[in-house]
Amino acid sequence: GEDVEQSLFLSVREGDSSVINCTYTDSSSTYLYWYKQEPGAGLQLLTYIFSNMDMKQDQRLTVLLNKKDKHLSLRIADTQTGDSAIYFCAERDDLSNFGNEKLTFGTGTRLTIIP
Amino acid sequence: DADVTQTPRNRITKTGKRIMLECSQTKGHDRMYWYRQDPGLGLRLIYYSFDVKDINKGEISDGYSVSRQAQAKFSLSLESAIPNQTALYFCATSDRRRPGELFFGEGSRLTVL
Repeated sequence: GEDVEQSLFLSVREGDSSVINCTYTDSSSTYLYWYKQEPGAGLQLLTYIFSNMDMKQDQRLTVLLNKKDKHLSLRIADTQTGDSAIYFCAERDDLSNFGNEKLTFGTGTRLTIIP
Repeated sequence: DADVTQTPRNRITKTGKRIMLECSQTKGHDRMYWYRQDPGLGLRLIYYSFDVKDINKGEISDGYSVSRQAQAKFSLSLESAIPNQTALYFCATSDRRRPGELFFGEGSRLTVL
C-alpha cells in the first residue's frame, strides 16, 4: 500500500525559513497536499500541488515536488510564532482508485519556533 | 458555529464499555471519514462513507463500527473499548468534486482505562 514519511520534529528560529520534507512511495499519486494542525484543533488544508507541476507558490508558502525522487517539500518563508503547528503531507491516488479517492497521510512534522 | 462538529470532545471510559462518538456537518458534503491520530503514527483511516448507503473499511477498522444516519451525520462506535484505542479521533468531510480537500472537526479525545 501507499506509504508517506516525514521527520517528526523541526525547530527553526523566528524569521528564518522552514523546510518540511515528505517522501511517498505511490508513483500514481495525482495530488499531494499539505495540512496544518494547530494545538487543540483539527487539520486545515494549507495548499496542494498537482503531480504535473514541480513548484507552487502561495504567499509565504512554496511547495516543491520532485516526482522522480517522490519527494515533496513545504517551505515557509519568514517563519512566525503562529506557524508553530504539526504539518502533515498527504497523497491522493486517483489512477487506481477512481471514484474511490482517499488520502494517505504522513506521520506529521511538529514545527517549533525558537524566539 | 463549526462546520464539522464532534461530540463528545473528551471522554474517559473503562475497558469493555461501549462508546459512541458522533459527528455532524453543515457543509452539505457527501463524503465523511473517521480518522485516528496517535503520536508518531500520523492519521490513520478507520472508516469512510461516500453517501448515506455507503460504508467502507479503512486501514484500521477492527474493533470499530460506524453508522451513517443521514447525509449530515456519521457516528463511530467502539463496541467494547480497550486501552490501545486511547487516541484522538477526527471526523472529516469532503465534496466528491474535490475529494482531497478535507474539512476536519476539532477532535474527540478518548481515554480507555
